[in-house]
Amino acid sequence: DGGITQSPKYLFRKEGQNVTLSCEQNLNHDAMYWYRQDPGQGLRLIYYSQIVNDFQKGDIAEGYSVSREKKESFPLTVTSAQKNPTAFYLCASTEPLQGGNYGYTFGSGTRLTVV
Amino acid sequence: GENVEQHPSTLSVQEGDSAVIKCTYSDSASNYFPWYKQELGKRPQLIIDIRSNVGEKKDQRIAVTLNKTAKHFSLHITETQPEDSAVYFCAARDHYNQGGKLIFGQGTELSVKP
Repeated sequence: DGGITQSPKYLFRKEGQNVTLSCEQNLNHDAMYWYRQDPGQGLRLIYYSQIVNDFQKGDIAEGYSVSREKKESFPLTVTSAQKNPTAFYLCASTEPLQGGNYGYTFGSGTRLTVV
Repeated sequence: GENVEQHPSTLSVQEGDSAVIKCTYSDSASNYFPWYKQELGKRPQLIIDIRSNVGEKKDQRIAVTLNKTAKHFSLHITETQPEDSAVYFCAARDHYNQGGKLIFGQGTELSVKP
């Protein structure tokens, strides 16, 4: 998975239920990101973290929560407050320091469906 | 904050023709502009990128041009092949602020007809 592993690949959520999407990387990257992808809307930023124990809201953070207790892990929780969670979720990481290639490496994604 | 607009949303070309996708950005502080290719159901893959101190970059059949004054950049694919069919995303990053995050365009669905 190119150094980033997302699980599960498919996830089904019932109404009123919280679910957690896993993202693990072994690239030793400091920065990690969560994006949501809907048809025709590109990738929208949910949350990002530049360093362990720190994270910031992106453009569409409402109804989501994250934690960054370890450098390798950046789980995303979709809470019951997110009214339209059906989407494809992508996790990414990068090394945001100067020099080198600091494009994102993406995970393979989790497709979340409300049932 | 940064805003990236991408056009067209869909593009259909004949095999062997060229394809051009254009993006504009709003934040003059942005200094890194990658392009990603996403095949159906798969993760986006970086195909080429350009930094603000360069006007053009080529990699085989793919090239990217950047006009900082006009705040727009373009992806050029020459001699298109059916395997080039995918969704392409441009992005912009303000390296010095905003946590290095990328802001993506809306995507262009490229279809190359044999």
